[in-house]
Amino acid sequence: GAGVSQSPSNKVTEKGKDVELRCDPISGHTALYWYRQRLGQGLEFLIYFQGNSAPDKSGLPSDRFSAERTGESVSTLTIQRTQQEDSAVYLCASSPPPYEQYFGPGTRLTVT
Amino acid sequence: QQPVQSPQAVILREGEDAVINCSSSKALYSVHWYRQKHGEAPVFLMILLKGGEQKGHEKISASFNEKKQQSSLYLTASQLSYSGTYFCGTESRDDYKLSFGAGTTVTVRA
Repeated sequence: GAGVSQSPSNKVTEKGKDVELRCDPISGHTALYWYRQRLGQGLEFLIYFQGNSAPDKSGLPSDRFSAERTGESVSTLTIQRTQQEDSAVYLCASSPPPYEQYFGPGTRLTVT
Repeated sequence: QQPVQSPQAVILREGEDAVINCSSSKALYSVHWYRQKHGEAPVFLMILLKGGEQKGHEKISASFNEKKQQSSLYLTASQLSYSGTYFCGTESRDDYKLSFGAGTTVTVRA
């Protein structure tokens, strides 16, 4: 079956522009996570959606970052006024909690 | 809060063994282990749900000591394909949110 998909796979943007990253989770997975991974670093938690509960936004690094999810489907991560330090791979994962997370291939964001 | 992994990196020759440790300050519901190869997304290896539980994947096994809030991943008779960064993820009994450690980079050489 289809896994987690993310788009775009690569995004190059100029500093100050807004970007939108998309995640299509596996159908039926109620939990969805966004992570940021800088080059050679670990997985930095950003936000967690679980069903219809209020999302856990405790990992968002600033108010320039926001995310939405419609029901148990697609999620969008938006970064406003991008900065060079936002350059990283953004990974999305979905899960039927409390089980394993299935990761998408990631979006590599480069801010010039 | 992020679990702590040790060591940060390990270099092995093919056939050697290694242990990666993961510890948390919170009471844990489960421990997950993932492996990420360079340029790829992390891939699930196993999940441990009960204290004392052990699981295996190929010649990779793990244990979970619920009382000590620790888990260990054992790489036995390592193969070249075991190279990668191993992450532990812990779910606490407070919120069931998965938090990842910083990772342990394993390099297996012929």
